[in-house]
Amino acid sequence: DAGVIQSPRHEVTEMGQEVTLRCKPISGHDYLFWYRQTMMRGLELLIYFNNNVPIDDSGMPEDRFSAKMPNASFSTLKIQPSEPRDSAVYFCASSSGTGAPGETQYFGPGTRLLVL
Amino acid sequence: AQKITQTQPGMFVQEKEAVTLDCTYDTSDQSYGLFWYKQPSSGEMIFLIYQGSYDEQNATEGRYSLNFQKARKSANLVISASQLGDSAMYFCAMREVGYNNNDMRFGAGTRLTVKP
Repeated sequence: DAGVIQSPRHEVTEMGQEVTLRCKPISGHDYLFWYRQTMMRGLELLIYFNNNVPIDDSGMPEDRFSAKMPNASFSTLKIQPSEPRDSAVYFCASSSGTGAPGETQYFGPGTRLLVL
Repeated sequence: AQKITQTQPGMFVQEKEAVTLDCTYDTSDQSYGLFWYKQPSSGEMIFLIYQGSYDEQNATEGRYSLNFQKARKSANLVISASQLGDSAMYFCAMREVGYNNNDMRFGAGTRLTVKP
C-alpha cells in the first residue's frame, strides 16, 4: 500500500506569495492531520479532519493559513500571503479512525518550505 | 502545560550497545496511548512502537522495547544492539482517548548518535 503522499517535497517562495501544500492520505483512513515542525516549536498540530470535515483548527497560527479536504483522498494547506516565519517542514498524517488508543498516525515525507 | 517531556536533547551510544531514551508524560485520563517515532536526517517520521495504558506487558518490536512505568508516568524507549542507522531524532508522543481523541502530543525529541 502507498503511504501518505505529499507534494511538493520542497518549496522555495518569496514573501507575500501564495503557497499550496498537498496531501493524499492512506486509502481508507478517515482522519487527516496537518503538522508543522520547526526548531523552535517542535512538532505542532495545525488542524485535523474526520471524514473530510475539519474537527479542530485551533492550532492554525492565523488567518493566513487555511486547509481544505474536498474529498477523502485529497487535502490542501494554503498560506496566503506567506511570510519568512512560515518556513518549516509541514507534515501530513493519516489514521484509520477506529478510536482505539493504539490508533497510529502515519506520516507523509513532509514538505520543506522556505519563504525568503 | 507540557504533556510530553523528553529531558535528553542529545544522546550518544556506542555501536552494538543498548541505549534508553527517556520520556515522561502528564495526563489525568485512564485510557491513553504512548508512541515513539523516529526521524532520520532524511526527515520522514517513522512509527516505531506503541504502548497502551492498559497493557500489562511492555511493548516490544524487534530491537525496540518500551519500558512502561505507569505510576511514574514514564515510557522510555530502549534500543538494543544499536546500529549506525539508528542515528536519528526520536520523538515520544501521547494520544489521550477522550473528547478530542485524535490530538496526539509530541515531545521535543532526543537526537541519538550512534558511534562506530
